[in-house]
Amino acid sequence: DIVMTQSPLSLPVTPGEPASISCRSSQNLLDSNGFNSVDWYLQKPGQSPHLLIYLGSNRASGVPDRFSGSGSGTDFTLKISRVEAEDVGVYYCMQALQTPRTFGQGTRLEIK
Amino acid sequence: QAHLVQSGAEVKKPGASVKVSCKASDYTFTNYAITWVRQAPGRGLEWMGWITTFMSDTNYAQKFQGRVTMTTDTSTTTAYMELRSLRSDDTAVYYCTRGVGAFDIWGQGTMVTVSS
Repeated sequence: DIVMTQSPLSLPVTPGEPASISCRSSQNLLDSNGFNSVDWYLQKPGQSPHLLIYLGSNRASGVPDRFSGSGSGTDFTLKISRVEAEDVGVYYCMQALQTPRTFGQGTRLEIK
Repeated sequence: QAHLVQSGAEVKKPGASVKVSCKASDYTFTNYAITWVRQAPGRGLEWMGWITTFMSDTNYAQKFQGRVTMTTDTSTTTAYMELRSLRSDDTAVYYCTRGVGAFDIWGQGTMVTVSS
């Protein structure tokens, strides 16, 4: 199985400041079409997860442009250009290259 | 706006079975697979498998092989996930979600508690 490793696991951020979450995979996630098969999800407190980024760098519908995804191969990053209070929750990366789909451990973003 | 609405919370004894439903609306049900993901209390997300809604092909995580059955009813646009031989470590919130990746629509989750 592909192992997804996130860091940091806890991320205190001052509102208005940027934030960055790293996700490293145990295998190359570049598919045969040249896409990086990585999604990013946010699970706000008490809610279901929701999709932020798919195929490494594509923002899902309705996701603010302060969120961006980058990276290739085995190293991926989710960046928030200016954190807002509503961004608190747990962020997960997930590889969509192979089954079983596997998630990172989650990164808990909190407001300082 | 597409929706997935799941059945209510369940409490089961060890060894029993549970069947969770996931009703889809406002999109063409047979165009997307349904994936099931679970989350134990205070833990991360765990992929259980998926079912294609057009052909009912399934792909289960090896961990659940032999204990899980995913089905669909296209006439009611509903997907089901049955888990058998429940153990205490099956206590979790079970989510259905749309697709095989880039999960853009999620159900609200169904809490399944396994306790004697």
